[in-house]
Amino acid sequence: SQTIHQWPATLVQPVGSPLSLECTVEGTSNPNLYWYRQAAGRGLQLLFYSVGIGQISSEVPQNLSASRPQDRQFILSSKKLLLSDSGFYLCAWRRQGVDTIYFGEGSWLTVV
Amino acid sequence: AQTVTQSQPEMSVQEAETVTLSCTYDTSESDYYLFWYKQPPSRQMILVIRQEAYKQQNATENRFSVNFQKAAKSFSLKISDSQLGDAAMYFCAYSIQGAQKLVFGQGTRLTINP
Repeated sequence: SQTIHQWPATLVQPVGSPLSLECTVEGTSNPNLYWYRQAAGRGLQLLFYSVGIGQISSEVPQNLSASRPQDRQFILSSKKLLLSDSGFYLCAWRRQGVDTIYFGEGSWLTVV
Repeated sequence: AQTVTQSQPEMSVQEAETVTLSCTYDTSESDYYLFWYKQPPSRQMILVIRQEAYKQQNATENRFSVNFQKAAKSFSLKISDSQLGDAAMYFCAYSIQGAQKLVFGQGTRLTINP
């Protein structure tokens, strides 16, 4: 069966510090990978998606970037965090050609 | 642009009763998918049920069922025999076939009263 893990689960970072959130998927190959952000416990906003190694598409211009160094690894990064980057970040995956997206456990980021 | 609207920010129901959560969406596409996700206090998004737009039959998963009205662009979720573990935020979501983006509604917070 397929599983998705992301870490760290909780992160408190000062303004201006770097960020790295990691996500891995197991039990499948060549998945589509996604980073979503959820602010104020409401709807999710798609930040980035990737259909293959090194292929990143950005949905929203922002202070964040994403990378996919390996087939089943997706990383969300920032060089300098802003207060507005605080929120709940969810990694997700989908098998190519299939419509259903599955989510990881999420990471709480608080920028102070 | 595709939008998903959940008009009920909060709902509550007595344990063992039935509750229906509403969702409407706006699209000009003919091939798409609709989903209900549950987000318990742990915050992980859990798929509850999915519906293909080309299927007329409403999807059912145990105590969860949907009422899909394609012409009205409505996709409501019915939870039968509500249990305390059903308490969560519920999100309606929409995806065009072949597209990467999953568009979410703003969510409905469901409370189960014992």
